[in-house]
Amino acid sequence: SAVISQKPSRDICQRGTSLTIQCQVDSQVTMMFWYRQQPGQSLTLIATANQGSEATYESGFVIDKFPISRPNLTFSTLTVSNMSPEDSSIYLCSSSSGGLYNEQFFGPGTRLTVL
Amino acid sequence: AQSVTQLGSHVSVSEGALVLLRCNYSSSVPPYLFWYVQYPNQGLQLLLKYTSAATLVKGINGFEAEFKKSETSFHLTKPSAHMSDAAEYFCAVNQAGTALIFGKGTTLSVSS
Repeated sequence: SAVISQKPSRDICQRGTSLTIQCQVDSQVTMMFWYRQQPGQSLTLIATANQGSEATYESGFVIDKFPISRPNLTFSTLTVSNMSPEDSSIYLCSSSSGGLYNEQFFGPGTRLTVL
Repeated sequence: AQSVTQLGSHVSVSEGALVLLRCNYSSSVPPYLFWYVQYPNQGLQLLLKYTSAATLVKGINGFEAEFKKSETSFHLTKPSAHMSDAAEYFCAVNQAGTALIFGKGTTLSVSS
């Protein structure tokens, strides 16, 4: 299984600012994903981070608000731009080695509070 | 489109009692199904997965789940609950090459 780390683990930010979250995997992986978990809610997929190409965003999420980078097979970043209190959530990075079963492993999450 | 429905947002059991968390799926093709657990202030941990090799799947911490195609279900069970099982449990579905789609989650409380 892959071990995933995220930085920062938590942050408190002011409205209108941006925060970049880093995700590091301890092995090369085919697919990386970013999810949002709003307070008391389930996980919602934001986008799939593709190595060497633009991320694929889910309905309701746009690149201007959540730009994503994937420079190599072990690293990705998610930026939450022009933040508002509604962006207060836990942001989780996930990876999959692909293959037949497409099992996903998750990082510990970044707990973001926007004031 | 795929989806999962978790019946019951909150389940309470006594220590030593049977745990049953319900999950029904919708998928136009044979799905891969997963159960994850999330302890307070932690990330998600994989409990078990169904990948069509066997309908009864055994996972970690004494949990198991049975895939029933006729009922489109993948319920999670544990014969005897322990206080440490108190957590949030998520059922999820995907197909090869796609991201997981999660249910709304079920909070399991265990009382002594």
